[in-house]
Amino acid sequence: DTEVTQTPKHLVMGMTNKKSLKCEQHMGHRAMYWYKQKAKKPPELMFVYSYEKLSINESVPSRFSPECPNSSLLNLHLHALQPEDSALYLCASSQVWTMAGGIYTQYFGPGTRLTVL
Amino acid sequence: DAKTTQPPSMDCAEGRAANLPCNHSTISGNEYVYWYRQIHSQGPQYIIHGLKNNETNEMASLIITEDRKSSTLILPHATLRDTAVYYCIVRVGGSNYQLIWGAGTKLIIKP
Repeated sequence: DTEVTQTPKHLVMGMTNKKSLKCEQHMGHRAMYWYKQKAKKPPELMFVYSYEKLSINESVPSRFSPECPNSSLLNLHLHALQPEDSALYLCASSQVWTMAGGIYTQYFGPGTRLTVL
Repeated sequence: DAKTTQPPSMDCAEGRAANLPCNHSTISGNEYVYWYRQIHSQGPQYIIHGLKNNETNEMASLIITEDRKSSTLILPHATLRDTAVYYCIVRVGGSNYQLIWGAGTKLIIKP
């Protein structure tokens, strides 16, 4: 089973709202990722969590706040977003993030389609 | 900077083999070639990866040239459900890796 689930599937929010995206995996993976994807572009990495600790923040604005409450769950808290933040937000997981000589496949969820009005 | 070059679009007849090329002329010795596909508005789906040997799984085959500067993903019997954007990606193995995505090839399977 290589399933990553994401909720909600679609989200519409105003610029003053606070909302959260949720991602879950039960594969025992210890690395989880958030990506942002604009239309007709490849995904862009936002955050990497390794063993529930934030390992990579790709200079993402503070209006995006990730959280990893346990090894199966990853949240992305959204506050004061701008219309240009409208995109498909993808969660992924892999067995681990880094290991010398190792390579581990990332498995993606279906994404949350976010629209900021 | 993208490390892979792919044609922006390709067509293939249903039931035929779809051959998707990818150039990665600056690939390093420890970089893997990965393929994902993304069906419209869904999350990317892992297909296959390889380092230098050819690889095959239930979805596809990956042929890597001997100099590793290019590769071809082969879908042996394409179906309409294989219509998607296919991404060829290079990835450094070991520590602190990231996926370096190219622009992708839009593959359209025609009946």
